[in-house]
Amino acid sequence: SQQGEEDPQALSIQEGENATMNCSYKTSINNLQWYRQNSGRGLVHLILIRSNEREKHSGRLRVTLDTSKKSSSLLITASRAADTASYFCATARSYNTDKLIFGTGTRLQVFP
Amino acid sequence: GAGVSQSPSNKVTEKGKDVELRCDPISGHTALYWYRQSLGQGLEFLIYFQGNSAPDKSGLPSDRFSAERTGESVSTLTIQRTQQEDSAVYLCASSLDGSGDTQYFGPGTRLTVL
Repeated sequence: SQQGEEDPQALSIQEGENATMNCSYKTSINNLQWYRQNSGRGLVHLILIRSNEREKHSGRLRVTLDTSKKSSSLLITASRAADTASYFCATARSYNTDKLIFGTGTRLQVFP
Repeated sequence: GAGVSQSPSNKVTEKGKDVELRCDPISGHTALYWYRQSLGQGLEFLIYFQGNSAPDKSGLPSDRFSAERTGESVSTLTIQRTQQEDSAVYLCASSLDGSGDTQYFGPGTRLTVL
């Protein structure tokens, strides 16, 4: 079964608005990562947050991690049509870090 | 090239035929992963190679699926006697040492079984 589950499954917004996606997971983790996928092909790494970090920024991206709730959020500020893609969270478990477990993804549509 | 490459990019085959998919990881990356993604779905882990260790085959869906890796370089995923439910995008990724590192993905192979 998937370790991570993203919420919502799909999100539609207008350009300029912020997009927030959430990820919940089940076991203790070493780190959590967010990936982006365009058109059902290869994934691109966006950001990694370690279990001892609570917030991380990269450009228009802000990721938070709450290990007590086993959840993370990805915020994209001032969205653009080019941000349209699927976004996946992935966790590296603390007791077996050799594999990332991917969530089910959020499909983001940004309308111009 | 600097990234992960996969070939072919698209493969159409008839039910019952065998197919072989290839992945060239980033040079120096010791860890290599294969995933499968059906239309509109998440990533399904198939197999993981790390250096000279025995591969983790826990995600392979049936004994028709197998994979090999030559040292720390090329990997091939073989599907024997393909079925229509095998139709999916097969993604390969590599990472520096597999310890929960960032994974770098190839563009995938879209397999269609008629």
